Amino acid sequence: DAGITQSPRHKVTETGTPVTLRCHQTENHRYMYWYRQDPGHGLRLIHYSYGVKDTDKGEVSDGYSVSRSKTEDFLLTLESATSSQTSVYFCAISEVRGRGSYEQYFGPGTRLTVT
Amino acid sequence: GDSVTQMEGPVTLSEEAFLTINCTYTATGYPSLFWYVQYPGEGLQLLLKATKADDKGSNKGFEATYRKETTSFHLEKGSVQVSDSAVYFCALSVNTGNQFYFGTGTSLTVIP
Repeated sequence: DAGITQSPRHKVTETGTPVTLRCHQTENHRYMYWYRQDPGHGLRLIHYSYGVKDTDKGEVSDGYSVSRSKTEDFLLTLESATSSQTSVYFCAISEVRGRGSYEQYFGPGTRLTVT
Repeated sequence: GDSVTQMEGPVTLSEEAFLTINCTYTATGYPSLFWYVQYPGEGLQLLLKATKADDKGSNKGFEATYRKETTSFHLEKGSVQVSDSAVYFCALSVNTGNQFYFGTGTSLTVIP
């Protein structure tokens, strides 16, 4: 257990509204990630962060923004939700293990439905 | 670029059957390889990993061997149980850049 929580766990929202998902970690990990999971696509990286106020885009970043003002919190915002953003969103952290190898650990996920 | 390809599912097996889920990778560097498991309604959990060629990762009766010559990391279990029903993801990371790449997942259902 890497001490990762996500909120909310479930959300239904309407097209065009902004939505913010929160990821909180308690173990001071430097790297944090947001993925979305869709059938047939596996996990796709949206954005990641390598420190406070340091973020970068992943492969499916259009329509999403992130912020990290504190080490423990990584926020994902859908600026104007669309039905194509209906998905399950996972937050993850990574940490270095032996021989410089990173391991990634995941939160429980947020199921978002955009109607 | 770096990527992972794993066998399509779904896979349905009877209890105590032998399991193999194939995974091959493409990497520009020297990756670490992982298998993750996802139970219904949950996040992904690290199942096992290997960090160099010929390493064998193992956990909960599952095994996978890092084969550099065939760029493969196939997941195996000798006798599956109903409780192994889940989605399994193969993944790799390249040490520099802290990036992870996941396969599309293979759904496994074990029937009594």
